[in-house]
Amino acid sequence: DVKVTQSSRYLVKRTGEKVFLECVQDMDHENMFWYRQDPGLGLRLIYFSYDVKMKEKGDIPEGYSVSREKKERFSLILESASTNQTSMYLCASSLGDPVGNIQYFGAGTRLSVL
Amino acid sequence: AQTVTQSQPEMSVQEAETVTLSCTYDTSESDYYLFWYKQPPSRQMILVIRQEAYKQQNATENRFSVNFQKAAKSFSLKISDSQLGDAAMYFCAYPGAGSYQLTFGKGTKLSVIP
Repeated sequence: DVKVTQSSRYLVKRTGEKVFLECVQDMDHENMFWYRQDPGLGLRLIYFSYDVKMKEKGDIPEGYSVSREKKERFSLILESASTNQTSMYLCASSLGDPVGNIQYFGAGTRLSVL
Repeated sequence: AQTVTQSQPEMSVQEAETVTLSCTYDTSESDYYLFWYKQPPSRQMILVIRQEAYKQQNATENRFSVNFQKAAKSFSLKISDSQLGDAAMYFCAYPGAGSYQLTFGKGTKLSVIP
């Protein structure tokens, strides 16, 4: 089974802190994704990566950055956390060819910024 | 921009009954995939079913089936013999032609009544 692991289920941070959300997958997938999930808005893509050190902006990249130094690990960084970044964050991975490929999700990190 | 619309924010079904969740999408492509994902409470999102647009036959996975109407750009999910474990958020998703990212609908929260 594909396993996508997010380092924290719950995280509480203060405004202005630098926050790192970590995601690791064990299936040698080329693609990795970070989504933000908010009630009534569904899932919105923040960033994705199709290869090591490669990244592409999604629909809502403002206030976020990412890092992919190794194939299995994809980090989401909030440079200066703000209260409007309180949300559920989901990581996903998939095989390289985008056509029809299933995305596998982690359990999510619920971030609260106070 | 791709759009995916789920018009039912919440639905409920009696245990053992059948329920249909609706989804419409917008595309100009002729060959693509469509997905239904399930997110149980406090658990990770998993794939329920996948449909290839060029296939005439509707996809089926045990109690889950789709009604795919390509011309109408409609992709509904039917759950037969509903069980308590089917209670979850259900998301319809469309990747777009050759796209790495999925566009998700806003979700339908399904409750199963014992």
